[in-house]
Amino acid sequence: EAQVTQNPRYLITVTGKKLTVTCSQNMNHEYMSWYRQDPGLGLRQIYYSMNVEVTDKGDVPEGYKVSRKEKRNFPLILESPSPNQTSLYFCASSFKGAPSPLHFGNGTRLTVT
Amino acid sequence: AQTVTQSQPEMSVQEAETVTLSCTYDTSESNYYLFWYKQPPSRQMILVIRQEAYKQQNATENRFSVNFQKAAKSFSLKISDSQLGDTAMYFCAFMKFNFGNEKLTFGTGTRLTIIP
Repeated sequence: EAQVTQNPRYLITVTGKKLTVTCSQNMNHEYMSWYRQDPGLGLRQIYYSMNVEVTDKGDVPEGYKVSRKEKRNFPLILESPSPNQTSLYFCASSFKGAPSPLHFGNGTRLTVT
Repeated sequence: AQTVTQSQPEMSVQEAETVTLSCTYDTSESNYYLFWYKQPPSRQMILVIRQEAYKQQNATENRFSVNFQKAAKSFSLKISDSQLGDTAMYFCAFMKFNFGNEKLTFGTGTRLTIIP
């Protein structure tokens, strides 16, 4: 089954403790992206990747890192999480060339205390 | 930069009725795409319908249709014969036509409740 898999689905952590949210897709998509969803703000793009070893900042990249060492994986790294990073995170992927529909993962609910 | 505005934070309608969700956007681009996404309580983001700006004909997918007014920069979603499973948050989204970052710019969402 074609899908974008995010893990974990829920995560509670403390300020400053490094964490990684994994994202993997099995559709051979070149393009991958991370969004965060906050009430009253909709979804906002954090980082994106056009292909292996090609990443760039989205609209809200501060406090986040990403890597794209393999085509299928695009982990989101929070090296020193803070409470303002408490949010719902989505990974998405598609073939390059709009308007290929974005396929979204099921989301990761992160709480930073 | 593009902005997307959804002015109805919440709506409710009786089952089987028709409901229209509004969306306006602001852009200086001439080539772009517009989308409606549905987010049920399961949190999944599900593509409902999409519209290419260069197409004058309004997109339709079964019970879902849009009213795309390019000059007015308006993109409303009509749900006919609403069903309980339509209860969800609905997001309007904009994508600029390019071969680079396929970023979606989202509105703030409309929470739709279908009442039995």
